[in-house]
Amino acid sequence: NAGVTQTPKFQVLKTGQSMTLQCAQDMNHEYMSWYRQDPGMGLRLIHYSVGAGITDQGEVPNGYNVSRSTTEDFPLRLLSAAPSQTSVYFCASSDRAGPTTDTQYFGPGTRLTVL
Amino acid sequence: KNQVEQSPQSLIILEGKNCTLQCNYTVSPFSNLRWYKQDTGRGPVSLTIMTFSENTKSNGRYTATLDADTKQSSLHITASQLSDSASYICVVSADTNAGKSTFGDGTTLTVKP
Repeated sequence: NAGVTQTPKFQVLKTGQSMTLQCAQDMNHEYMSWYRQDPGMGLRLIHYSVGAGITDQGEVPNGYNVSRSTTEDFPLRLLSAAPSQTSVYFCASSDRAGPTTDTQYFGPGTRLTVL
Repeated sequence: KNQVEQSPQSLIILEGKNCTLQCNYTVSPFSNLRWYKQDTGRGPVSLTIMTFSENTKSNGRYTATLDADTKQSSLHITASQLSDSASYICVVSADTNAGKSTFGDGTTLTVKP
């Protein structure tokens, strides 16, 4: 299994541009999440999904959209990039097997810079 | 408000020494507590996961403890290695839904030769 994959690894945008960060998992996990990690800070939840067709907002959803048309894919869209969105973005997935196995598997991250 | 506080913020130890990282939380209702290791430039990787009924869990040289009464957890690293240099993140879930996890800011561990 490839696990959780993210593309691109690095991206530079100009203020106002839009783009989509891709995330895919091949473990048939129902739960998928997007986080951002700023220097010296913990991961903050942007959006999450508990299954195909179902998404919900996390802690910092403004400026981002998501959709979940398939179990495997969970893209994150930046509508109009702002310098405050400069961060490292992580996608994660987890199974719904119960509290003792609620381990999240993280992708390698996308480092985004908005100029 | 659910919170997870980790201490110390950073730690430097010599190779071969032991260390203990702390995690205090106010998340309720409690489902599980996880420790992750995050190498620089990489995504977090799970080390241990504990539910309410578990008070200790080991993964090689890593041993996590949980006191659900005082809402405290610790991660003990034995015989540290240079490869243990990383950020260690404590995550507490109030539900099996991944959207209801609270992340600590992490402890940055540096192991020096």
